[in-house]
Amino acid sequence: GAGVSQSPRYKVAKRGQDVALRCDPISGHVSLFWYQQALGQGPEFLTYFQNEAQLDKSGLPSDRFFAERPEGSVSTLKIQRTQQEDSAVYLCASSLGGVTDTQYFGPGTRLTVL
Amino acid sequence: ELKVEQNPLFLSMQEGKNYTIYCNYSTTSDRLYWYRQDPGKSLESLFVLLSNGAVKQEGRLMASLDTKARLSTLHITAAVHDLSATYFCAVDPDGGSQGNLIFGKGTKLSVKP
Repeated sequence: GAGVSQSPRYKVAKRGQDVALRCDPISGHVSLFWYQQALGQGPEFLTYFQNEAQLDKSGLPSDRFFAERPEGSVSTLKIQRTQQEDSAVYLCASSLGGVTDTQYFGPGTRLTVL
Repeated sequence: ELKVEQNPLFLSMQEGKNYTIYCNYSTTSDRLYWYRQDPGKSLESLFVLLSNGAVKQEGRLMASLDTKARLSTLHITAAVHDLSATYFCAVDPDGGSQGNLIFGKGTKLSVKP
């Protein structure tokens, strides 16, 4: 079946621009996670949704980062006034929703801020 | 603050050899995950370890969990080139109430003929 998809796969932004990254989770998956992966590092947790509710946003690095999942399916991560330090791969993952469920990751969006 | 430490961070092996990657974590958790990442690709789930003493095997890879020692190992048997990738362990903090994972920095494995 279809896995987690993300778009765009690559995004180049000038410093100060706003960007929006999209995640389509596996159909029926209740939980959705966003992670940020810097080059050569492990993914770092950003935020978590259960259906449309954003239950944890403790990992968002600043108030320039905003995520939503209005209908409990597709999610968008928005970064306002991008900075060079925002350059990273942004990974989305989804799971059925049980606390032990495996998270399935999408291919990621590589964001480069010039 | 929960810390997850992997070692080694870089590993160059010859085909046919055995080796172990270690994952230490700093808080109580009985849920640990291993993922594989190929260059430019996303993460592929390898193992989910859900209790103390859990052992899982798939092909040439075997993972184990010791929650008392806060240690997981990923053992590679008779390595082959196809195993070249970066391997991450991840811990589920907070008793698994949410599922957000804390990842180690990864072990970059290179298997040479």
